[in-house]
Amino acid sequence: GAGVSQSPSNKVTEKGKDVELRCDPISGHTALYWYRQSLGQGLEFLIYFQGNSAPDKSGLPSDRFSAERTGGSVSTLTIQRTQQEDSAVYLCASSLGLQNEQFFGPGTRLTVL
Amino acid sequence: GQQLNQSPQSMFIQEGEDVSMNCTSSSIFNTWLWYKQDPGEGPVLLIALYKAGELTSNGRLTAQFGITRKDSFLNISASIPSDVGIYFCAGLQAGTALIFGKGTTLSVSS
Repeated sequence: GAGVSQSPSNKVTEKGKDVELRCDPISGHTALYWYRQSLGQGLEFLIYFQGNSAPDKSGLPSDRFSAERTGGSVSTLTIQRTQQEDSAVYLCASSLGLQNEQFFGPGTRLTVL
Repeated sequence: GQQLNQSPQSMFIQEGEDVSMNCTSSSIFNTWLWYKQDPGEGPVLLIALYKAGELTSNGRLTAQFGITRKDSFLNISASIPSDVGIYFCAGLQAGTALIFGKGTTLSVSS
């Protein structure tokens, strides 16, 4: 596609429910990244995928968070048993390779009630 | 992990004023990038710098890759209301993903 797309754009859920956030990277980009951004704050790195290598999960805040990337393209970030502190904007980015500029999607705003 | 120190954290300026922000690190970087994030949007790449000492302009924006490779600055001249947003620096080292600064929030009053 022309750019990175994410869905849904907004998600409201109840505490304790599971949510799935989707990211479609730019076609041909081998690297894909997930970040979390609280209101007015910086980018908190969560996880990245680079080609067929094992993902770098060092930024995931707890074992309730997981992500997968199927076929080297689309990625899904899953948050299980959501908590109110999970409320944030979740941003996805992709790049040609790990050493290239990242291009961001518009984000998914998650609100946990 | 590696950290980028971005300053100032926030700026409140009048329309027409010039703006300067910078990022520093104790480590050497191979590439410096500057992004802008508009409210409700994802960050957008403004300028990319690939060589120490490089000075690059994009309209009213000018950025430089520090000669020591440990810092970079971004200048915005003659600010306008649409310059409002959060500006992020990001640095790239061999074999790792981008490292982002914590951002500079710019407010412009007309």
